[in-house]
Amino acid sequence: DAGVTQSPTHLIKTRGQQVTLRCSPISGHKSVSWYQQVLGQGPQFIFQYYEKEERGRGNFPDRFSARQFPNYSSELNVNALLLGDSALYLCASSLQGQGNTEAFFGQGTRLTVV
Amino acid sequence: AQSVTQLGSHVSVSEGALVLLRCNYSSSVPPYLFWYVQYPNQGLQLLLKYTSAATLVKGINGFEAEFKKSETSFHLTKPSAHMSDAAEYFCAVSVRDSSARQLTFGSGTQLTVLP
Repeated sequence: DAGVTQSPTHLIKTRGQQVTLRCSPISGHKSVSWYQQVLGQGPQFIFQYYEKEERGRGNFPDRFSARQFPNYSSELNVNALLLGDSALYLCASSLQGQGNTEAFFGQGTRLTVV
Repeated sequence: AQSVTQLGSHVSVSEGALVLLRCNYSSSVPPYLFWYVQYPNQGLQLLLKYTSAATLVKGINGFEAEFKKSETSFHLTKPSAHMSDAAEYFCAVSVRDSSARQLTFGSGTQLTVLP
């Protein structure tokens, strides 16, 4: 069975540009969450979507936005990129949206802003 | 709000020795607690989770953790380290009785296993 897939795996962007990251959850999973992991730190929660509705939002600026599609895949968009946005962006899917359900993580998208 | 503190950003043990990775949490409501492992250039893999059943939780690869409410701790142990255990380990907390599924992670502990 396919796990959580993220694309692209790596990308390099210039300051001020916009980027879109994509995530396909495990088949049957209805919840997708996004995390930012800066080098040397633990992942930080950005968004959670469940059944195409936003269920949670972390402490990130409005430059960060996301959406979930009818097939439960998701996109994370970041506008006006800053050097500090350089990080590994992780997508996690879970069967349901509650706090005790296991989250399965993808391998991430490594974003470098130059 | 919840938070997680992992004591020791780097831990080194000899192969065959006991592994002990420390995690303390803060939560205004009873939490769910998790340990994840991350190998280089990979995502996170769940080792084990505490969701209010037995306080001693057994996970994959011989790891286990004990939930101690009085100490607000959830330390991860393994009796005998293997070279393949070298990785970064993250403790995480999630709020119980929440309609959302937000994990709050600690800053991680890098485990080195010496031959």
